[in-house]
Amino acid sequence: KNEVEQSPQNLTAQEGEFITINCSYSVGISALHWLQQHPGGGIVSLFMLSSGKKKHGRLIATINIQEKHSSLHITASHPRDSAVYICAVPQGAQKLVFGQGTRLTINP
Amino acid sequence: GAVVSQHPSRVICKSGTSVKIECRSLDFQATTMFWYRQFPKQSLMLMATSNEGSKATYEQGVEKDKFLINHASLTLSTLTVTSAHPEDSSFYICSARDVAGGSYEQYFGPGTRLTVT
Repeated sequence: KNEVEQSPQNLTAQEGEFITINCSYSVGISALHWLQQHPGGGIVSLFMLSSGKKKHGRLIATINIQEKHSSLHITASHPRDSAVYICAVPQGAQKLVFGQGTRLTINP
Repeated sequence: GAVVSQHPSRVICKSGTSVKIECRSLDFQATTMFWYRQFPKQSLMLMATSNEGSKATYEQGVEKDKFLINHASLTLSTLTVTSAHPEDSSFYICSARDVAGGSYEQYFGPGTRLTVT
């Protein structure tokens, strides 16, 4: 079974700060997901990556397959970035295993 | 990007009644859809994997007779909560896997909040 650990569990920062959320997993994978869940509940898939780095707007995701570690960065954070960020990795052919999530709060 | 819809977004029902939740992939075909539930401040818990044209695969501890899943087409899966009880109140989320997108690309629906009174 693939165990997924995220850190920190909660993060509060001021608007404009650079944010880093970490995700470690225990078993080798082909790809890792970063998801965003807003207070209303809906989930948005931010990234799926299998190597290196991906960037979308102010969001950057990196992964180190050898170290079984991924990071999600937010540059110039804004209150609308406040959400729960979840990393997920495959277990077997189809299932995803989810981290416990990181609750991010950006204060104006 | 790929879009997955759920209907309804919110539903309140009385204890003992059944509720059906629909999950649709709007612009792609999904041979596999997943149903999750989420309790407040907790992570998603996979309930079952729904494969088009075949029976769903339920996770351990999930009652298949209580949570009926039907995946009749490549764009629609339904979850029916039968004889609902207050403890079934939760946030239900589906996701769909794009058959053309390679391994593990999943798209999530917006979720359905079920309240059983």
